[in-house]
Amino acid sequence: DTGVSQDPRHKITKRGQNVTFRCDPISEHNRLYWYRQTLGQGPEFLTYFQNEAQLEKSRLLSDRFSAERPKGSFSTLEIQRTEQGDSAMYLCASSPRPGPYEQYFGPGTRLTVT
Amino acid sequence: DQQVKQNSPSLSVQEGRISILNCDYTNSMFDYFLWYKKYPAEGPTFLISISSIKDKNEDGRFTVFLNKSAKHLSLHIVPSQPGDSAVYFCAASADGGTSYGKLTFGQGTILTVHP
Repeated sequence: DTGVSQDPRHKITKRGQNVTFRCDPISEHNRLYWYRQTLGQGPEFLTYFQNEAQLEKSRLLSDRFSAERPKGSFSTLEIQRTEQGDSAMYLCASSPRPGPYEQYFGPGTRLTVT
Repeated sequence: DQQVKQNSPSLSVQEGRISILNCDYTNSMFDYFLWYKKYPAEGPTFLISISSIKDKNEDGRFTVFLNKSAKHLSLHIVPSQPGDSAVYFCAASADGGTSYGKLTFGQGTILTVHP
């Protein structure tokens, strides 16, 4: 068990470009979450998957954001037409069971939009 | 609206002394609370949690206290060690309904433990 992994760890992109991040949860964890963290703030919930089904999306997730979890394993988060306000740390977490139990976080992908 | 608040941005303590980190919440639907620790360039690491049916949970040097009437929880670290220096986040979750276990985090408190 190598924990939750995220790729890339850092991404610098120009405004208007599309970016895609990947998250590999702990194997057999059927619950997967995406959060966004900006400087000086705690992580904010973006979206949640149970297996391959996306069951909840935050209002923070504008139409430019899309997330998928094909086959219920890894997940991708895509941001289209990036804006400077998208600059943040994007965190992925997984959890092995239903309910409000602890989530295990990956190291995050730091996005900088110039 | 900030449903989980950590009003102290930073805390400095001497090695061996007690560290007390505080957290307040406003949403009465929250019934499960967690503390995470975060080092630079790493994701948050789970520390300890407490269900709303309890008022105290202890794990080694870490104890979390919950005061539901005051909507307040605290994390006690005794004794504090320099390796405890990190950002500490309080998080809350509402069981059932459509919350699906999503966590609502506070802003974090930077703990510095001096040797």
